[in-house]
Amino acid sequence: KAGVTQTPRYLIKTRGQQVTLSCSPISGHRSVSWYQQTPGQGLQFLFEYFSETQRNKGNFPGRFSGRQFSNSRSEMNVSTLELGDSALYLCASSLNGGVSEKLFFGSGTQLSVL
Amino acid sequence: GQSLEQPSEVTAVEGAIVQINCTYQTSGFYGLSWYQQHDGGAPTFLSYNALDGLEETGRFSSFLSRSDSYGYLLLQELQMKDSASYFCAVAAMGRDDKIIFGKGTRLHILP
Repeated sequence: KAGVTQTPRYLIKTRGQQVTLSCSPISGHRSVSWYQQTPGQGLQFLFEYFSETQRNKGNFPGRFSGRQFSNSRSEMNVSTLELGDSALYLCASSLNGGVSEKLFFGSGTQLSVL
Repeated sequence: GQSLEQPSEVTAVEGAIVQINCTYQTSGFYGLSWYQQHDGGAPTFLSYNALDGLEETGRFSSFLSRSDSYGYLLLQELQMKDSASYFCAVAAMGRDDKIIFGKGTRLHILP
């Protein structure tokens, strides 16, 4: 089984631009969650999608949004980029999204905002 | 509120045993997980404790005490490849159940 795939691996943008990141979960997994990782801050939960519906949301501004398609693939969008948005964005998939389930992470998209 | 505390860095010697602690504050939770992340890599699942006590998986063990709001990850027979960051995470109950991660412990292993 292929693992979780995130594209692109690296991205450089300038302030004010917007960006879209993509995540393909493991086949059969219906839940996709997104995390922001910055040095020393661990993984900050952004949101979780299950069956094309946002089921959970973290404490991030509305500039951060996402969606999930019928094949469970998910995209995350950040509009009006700020310098502080520079981070590694990780997505994780699980079978049904239960909080007790094992998460399978992708290698992430490293976003640099200049 | 909900929070997890774990040491930012731990150093140990190859072949030794190391314990990484995690204390948490949450009004209710289902269990405690541990993830390993090598530099430039994806976090990978190590263990999950739903009940109090010790869970053993090869060289790695994880412990949970709900009454003490405390857990730890124990790594035995340390190898250089165990140099990585280790994250504890609680499966927290709430209006919306969610997984909350600690900030991670960087494990340095000396030869």
